[in-house]
Amino acid sequence: GNSVTQMEGPVTLSEEAFLTINCTYTATGYPSLFWYVQYPGEGLQLLLKATKADDKGSNKGFEATYRKETTSFHLEKGSVQVSDSAVYFCALNNNDMRFGAGTRLTVKP
Amino acid sequence: DAGVTQSPTHLIKTRGQQVTLRCSPKSGHDTVSWYQQALGQGPQFIFQYYEEEERQRGNFPDRFSGHQFPNYSSELNVNALLLGDSALYLCASSSLAGDTGELFFGEGSRLTVL
Repeated sequence: GNSVTQMEGPVTLSEEAFLTINCTYTATGYPSLFWYVQYPGEGLQLLLKATKADDKGSNKGFEATYRKETTSFHLEKGSVQVSDSAVYFCALNNNDMRFGAGTRLTVKP
Repeated sequence: DAGVTQSPTHLIKTRGQQVTLRCSPKSGHDTVSWYQQALGQGPQFIFQYYEEEERQRGNFPDRFSGHQFPNYSSELNVNALLLGDSALYLCASSSLAGDTGELFFGEGSRLTVL
């Protein structure tokens, strides 16, 4: 079946640190891959997406590359800000959207 | 342009009762998906509706049922509530025709079962 495994948190970083949140997936065929973000007290918002192998999704300084050979879609940001504190969910869509368990990121000033 | 709207935002029920949650999709969207998000967990797929029919279903018991109306809005019904049904229920909409797989989420209905 289709599933997503992402790095367990919580993750705590200082402002301007480098961020990586690992995500790997299992799927038949060619799913689309997503990162969603959930800020405190808010619903899920799309952060970025990639629809085919080797595509790079990017938004707000975050990037993730669809790696079919390693079935991965790791999220990276070169310099995090306090405002990036949120829960990040990796997801795949292969007829329906499946989510990972989420990684809580806290960025301290 | 209104996004996905859900009602009610919060509700409290007791074990054995039944609950109905409602969702209006984003304008132009024809597909509605429902998710259950327990505290500290990722959203779990319940089912998806398109053209008033259940198109896909996750691993949830028959106590969970749904409906989609001609105007694309949707309801989630849960019968014989259990304590473990306490969660945030999220509705998401999308357009099947222009499908890039992206879902647009509402802010959810938080259900507490006592």
